Amino acid sequence: GAVVSQHPSWVICKSGTSVKIECRSLDFQATTMFWYRQFPKQSLMLMATSNEGSKATYEQGVEKDKFLINHASLTLSTLTVTSAHPEDSSFYICSARRARGGPANTGELFFGEGSRLTVL
Amino acid sequence: AQTVTQSQPEMSVQEAETVTLSCTYDTSESDYYLFWYKQPPSRQMILVIRQEAYKQQNATENRFSVNFQKAAKSFSLKISDSQLGDAAMYFCAYQRPFGNEKLTFGTGTRLTIIP
Repeated sequence: GAVVSQHPSWVICKSGTSVKIECRSLDFQATTMFWYRQFPKQSLMLMATSNEGSKATYEQGVEKDKFLINHASLTLSTLTVTSAHPEDSSFYICSARRARGGPANTGELFFGEGSRLTVL
Repeated sequence: AQTVTQSQPEMSVQEAETVTLSCTYDTSESDYYLFWYKQPPSRQMILVIRQEAYKQQNATENRFSVNFQKAAKSFSLKISDSQLGDAAMYFCAYQRPFGNEKLTFGTGTRLTIIP
């Protein structure tokens, strides 16, 4: 099956610093990647949709200047949490959709392993 | 906007028994996809089963099957012969089939398997 990898899997940073999380599709090309946030014992909430070569589309209530998303290639999207604060501590998960191959419009997304951010 | 509701925050089942997890959703669309995802302690989201709304036949994947009731907007997951490895959070999800549509997740059901 398709593999999506996130790095780092766990990061601890000081308040006020910026943190970058990478999401890579290892064996397929992904024109679209999605970034989710999951607080403990809660569901996944979509933050933004990342499209290769264009600006990301953010969900209502998500600060685009705080959560910078770059999708520079068909296999890599990055999420940068700028000036992180303790309330940004969460589990961030990306998912990717194949650009081609397999049945059309199956809707299946492939998820990364997630990245746990702890802001002190 | 589409919403997905899972009314059972927690469920438990004896090993080898059968359990059903409930999911309802709200949409005005006639064509869409529904999913059940499993999230074990490792936090990796794993696709369990998928259902296309235009298909009347309920999807099955080995021990996992769904009861899709389109008119009632209900999409329950049945796990037969429950195994210890089935213990996880289970999320129901909805997706429109147009272009690069996002998944809308329910709040999840934590399934415990009793040995």
